[in-house]
Amino acid sequence: QLQLQESGPGLVKPSETLTLTCSVSDDYISSSGFYWVWIRQPPGRGLEWIGSIYYTGSAYYNPSLKSRVTMSVDTSKKQFSLRLNFVTAADTAVYYCAGEMATIHYFQWWGQGSLVTVSS
Amino acid sequence: YVVTQPPSVSVAPGQTARITCAGENIGRKSVHWYQQRPGQAPVLVVYDDDNRPSGIPERFSGSNSGNTATLAISRVAAGDEADYHCQVWDSSSDHFVFGTGTKVTVL
Repeated sequence: QLQLQESGPGLVKPSETLTLTCSVSDDYISSSGFYWVWIRQPPGRGLEWIGSIYYTGSAYYNPSLKSRVTMSVDTSKKQFSLRLNFVTAADTAVYYCAGEMATIHYFQWWGQGSLVTVSS
Repeated sequence: YVVTQPPSVSVAPGQTARITCAGENIGRKSVHWYQQRPGQAPVLVVYDDDNRPSGIPERFSGSNSGNTATLAISRVAAGDEADYHCQVWDSSSDHFVFGTGTKVTVL
């Protein structure tokens, strides 16, 4: 059973970089059958897709965040990561990592979520 | 691509809750639905318009036509109180779009 777990700081200062990591169980991270995804949810609001990455490192991002987002994958550590630059209070959210079977375009597996607050 | 849901739906126990997801020609896309209980991660309850993942009760069903997709929950119980989110893949811009979310309240 595929499992995901987010980790990272719960508090980030404005204008700094938010960095989160998602650990993936077993050897799924290296499988050609999956995309690895970041999704966020501001308090009291809906879900927003941030971006997706393949085990090769090929990534694509939400156009509204593309200029500030970088995703990477480390198959040796069974992890993938999110970096979001120049954060503001509007980036305060619960950040979820998720897994998508390649090309089916929905998300069957989710981490528990990690609350990140942007505040000085 | 914009997808709109009603903010809230209220339903009496034992009745059927219907949650809509509106978008231009959404009937031409595959729509997926997630249930999110308070403080928890979303859970996929319907995929590709009208399919249920393993372990999801038959009380959850979906349909999609024209400009509206619908998630129906029959024989609603208190445990169905949650936020429900629809989601599509926008192939014209290669990105995922979520609806605005609907809070279901069981009266």
